[in-house]
Amino acid sequence: DAKTTQPNSMESNEEEPVHLPCNHSTISGTDYIHWYRQLPSQGPEYVIHGLTSNVNNRMASLAIAEDRKSSTLILHRATLRDAAVYYCILSSGAGSYQLTFGKGTKLSVIP
Amino acid sequence: EPEVTQTPSHQVTQMGQEVILRCVPISNHLYFYWYRQILGQKVEFLVSFYNNEISEKSEIFDDQFSVERPDGSNFTLKIRSTKLEDSAMYFCASSDGTRGIQDTQYFGPGTRLTVL
Repeated sequence: DAKTTQPNSMESNEEEPVHLPCNHSTISGTDYIHWYRQLPSQGPEYVIHGLTSNVNNRMASLAIAEDRKSSTLILHRATLRDAAVYYCILSSGAGSYQLTFGKGTKLSVIP
Repeated sequence: EPEVTQTPSHQVTQMGQEVILRCVPISNHLYFYWYRQILGQKVEFLVSFYNNEISEKSEIFDDQFSVERPDGSNFTLKIRSTKLEDSAMYFCASSDGTRGIQDTQYFGPGTRLTVL
């Protein structure tokens, strides 16, 4: 499986932008980059995904490096509700739909 | 908004007993999954299910585990003879199967299984 590396934890002030990095230097050309998050005591929740181009949705933006060896999840204005563990996950490959979770980045939001 | 539901929210059982964890996936979804998360550890994939059969399973999913879609709405995970190390949060997920590896998986709130 292609692996990802994320910082263990990050902090942000409320209402400020947050940039969550992910390194995936062994990504293959067909791997999608998915981001999920897990709020305390809840199941994981989809945030965003992309292949090569930057992506935006109502929750976040995903910036993908030109060489695709890294990506950044951007929360434009962090709220207290965004405090969660954020997981960067690469799609496993043809015919495999399982999500392989790492330890993720625990984001704390300071009021 | 449609959501995945799971029952019970907490199940306590004695070691060696059988447990069945229940899930109701989102109604038009075709792929179903079970994951587990031992306290303080990573979320781990157990099994995926499509077209009434297992499509993938992990090393964790041994002969003690089985899955079933007994009717058009429920998806169950059975553990035949529980061990202490089966204590974990079990998450069910589903996806609509229309986008392949781009599919979004929707997770339920989980069932906390405690084996005494």
